[in-house]
Amino acid sequence: QVRLQESGPGLVKPWETLSLTCTVSGASINSGSYYWNWFRQTPGKGPEWIANLDYSGNTFRNPSLGSRVSISMDTSDNQFSLTLTSVTDADTAVYYCARGTSGWYGKSWSDYWGQGALVTVSS
Amino acid sequence: EIVLTQSPGTLSLSPGDRATLSCTASESVSSRYIAWYQQKPGQAPRPLIYGAFSRASGVPDRFSGGVSGTVFTLTISRLEPEDFAVYYCQQYHDSPQTFGPGTKVGIK
Repeated sequence: QVRLQESGPGLVKPWETLSLTCTVSGASINSGSYYWNWFRQTPGKGPEWIANLDYSGNTFRNPSLGSRVSISMDTSDNQFSLTLTSVTDADTAVYYCARGTSGWYGKSWSDYWGQGALVTVSS
Repeated sequence: EIVLTQSPGTLSLSPGDRATLSCTASESVSSRYIAWYQQKPGQAPRPLIYGAFSRASGVPDRFSGGVSGTVFTLTISRLEPEDFAVYYCQQYHDSPQTFGPGTKVGIK
């Protein structure tokens, strides 16, 4: 059974950096043709894709977030992480990590999701 | 980016009814790259359909995906009490992958 679990601070101050980690069990993040995704969602809206990386560490980002986003993997702990810099109120959301499958060039549908982590941007 | 529009925004139905949800893309999208998800309050999205037609693992066969022209559809043949939720379509034909705004299936 594949499981994903988000972790990180639930409160971030404006203009500081948001950092989240996703711990994966039941699958190895550096094998197989999968993408390891970050999404976020605000109330009443559909999920928004943020970024992902594949098993070999190639990364793909949503252009709307530009250079504020970075994503990395730690194969020794079977984790991948998201960093979002210079956050504002608009970055307040529930953040999900998910495994993407059957995709190409970073685009895929996601078959396993974490439970989500609420991150609030506030002073 | 490709914008997905879902209709209706809300569907009020009774258990046992048939539900048909629609999803239209702002640009041409191959049916190979359309997925549908179900989401309940406080939960992560649950995958239902991928490749427009294929059911994800463990999804009951009352859920089916289709396409009519340029409109992608999700049909629930007979609503069960646990099916009342919000449903999202997703395209992964082009980057960035995007989701629609959702259709809420509520109890009449």
